[in-house]
Amino acid sequence: DTEVTQTPKHLVMGMTNKKSLKCEQHMGHRAMYWYKQKAKKPPELMFVYSYEKLSINESVPSRFSPECPNSSLLNLHLHALQPEDSALYLCASSETHPYGYTFGSGTRLTVV
Amino acid sequence: GIQVEQSPPDLILQEGANSTLRCNFSDSVNNLQWFHQNPWGQLINLFYIPSGTKQNGRLSATTVATERYSLLYISSSQTTDSGVYFCAVGGKSTFGDGTTLTVKP
Repeated sequence: DTEVTQTPKHLVMGMTNKKSLKCEQHMGHRAMYWYKQKAKKPPELMFVYSYEKLSINESVPSRFSPECPNSSLLNLHLHALQPEDSALYLCASSETHPYGYTFGSGTRLTVV
Repeated sequence: GIQVEQSPPDLILQEGANSTLRCNFSDSVNNLQWFHQNPWGQLINLFYIPSGTKQNGRLSATTVATERYSLLYISSSQTTDSGVYFCAVGGKSTFGDGTTLTVKP
């Protein structure tokens, strides 16, 4: 299995909702990442987990809360988002940080 | 943080043509990756190449770490090569702004 699976593929949420994005990999990778990508822009790093510990938090607002329950799973909990948070959220994994990423297909999030 | 510049920003080719994309970076790095993002948003890792030269089919890449640049070569381009090509550099894998490639039949 050489895939990173992200669910859901699309999500529409209101500003008062709480939702979660899920990312799963079964390649035995020990680093996992969340990136945010706005239209016509490059991906921007949000969080890095290395060996299930948060190692990098790029000053992301607290309305985004990451969680790594085990080495195969990465969640991103969303609460009280703003319309400007609408974007493509990408998960990636690598054997170790920061080498040789495999990206998932992303979750397209719309905040209304 | 590290600065990453890619050129050209846009490139339009006829099918069968060759092209060279460039990535300049501002600091010494031990990590450089090239990605292709297709029109549906999927990012595919093309090369992990902190130094030296690698080839994979019609694609090849060269990184000259001492001079802080990397080149991606695409030969005999096909319409399926269209999309955005990003380089990502450094410990936080900072992405450049990308080169948008359009290959016309």
